[in-house]
Amino acid sequence: AQSVTQLDSQVPVFEEAPVELRCNYSSSVSVYLFWYVQYPNQGLQLLLKYLSGSTLVESINGFEAEFNKSQTSFHLRKPSVHISDTAEYFCAVTTSNFGNEKLTFGTGTRLTIIP
Amino acid sequence: DTGVSQDPRHKITKRGQNVTFRCDPISEHNRLYWYRQTLGQGPEFLTYFQNEAQLEKSRLLSDRFSAERPKGSFSTLEIQRTEQGDSAMYLCASSLRRMIDLRSAEAFFGQGTRLTVV
Repeated sequence: AQSVTQLDSQVPVFEEAPVELRCNYSSSVSVYLFWYVQYPNQGLQLLLKYLSGSTLVESINGFEAEFNKSQTSFHLRKPSVHISDTAEYFCAVTTSNFGNEKLTFGTGTRLTIIP
Repeated sequence: DTGVSQDPRHKITKRGQNVTFRCDPISEHNRLYWYRQTLGQGPEFLTYFQNEAQLEKSRLLSDRFSAERPKGSFSTLEIQRTEQGDSAMYLCASSLRRMIDLRSAEAFFGQGTRLTVV
């Protein structure tokens, strides 16, 4: 079984400052990793994913995450945040063994941007 | 096809009543998932289908819960004799699993049905 830990439940950041949202996972097999964003009263939207290849993955809106197998981490970063980035961010993992894509989520990090 | 759609978006019901939610996945997707999300928590897996076959159910899915996907297209999730603890956001997701295609590991989510049991 796999698990995901998001240590920070809330992260306040000033507008245009950098941010890092931490995610650590535990699994006995190879994994795929995801970051999802959830705006108030909305479903989940995929932000970025690591399936294979380059360990640094980027989204279209300036976020990036790096898969670190030795540290079992997949931290999310953005060099300069905007008000519109205010949302809840969920890290998720699934196994890459051609089973189902059942996702195991962390408890989420609420990102609040301070003007 | 614009994505996964769920109906209704919101449902308020009295304790003890039955409720049914519907999920329409992306049309060519063969896998469909149900998750439940309570306040302040991440989504938790409930069950999933490959085509019309229900292949796995979580221990969270008590006997009062039943899910179907009769023709391998849309799915319904029914909760019988609702309890206040059933209040949550119920999320549906779908994916297209191809054994040789790593991109098929991605699930697309609907906007959810928020259930409030009073």
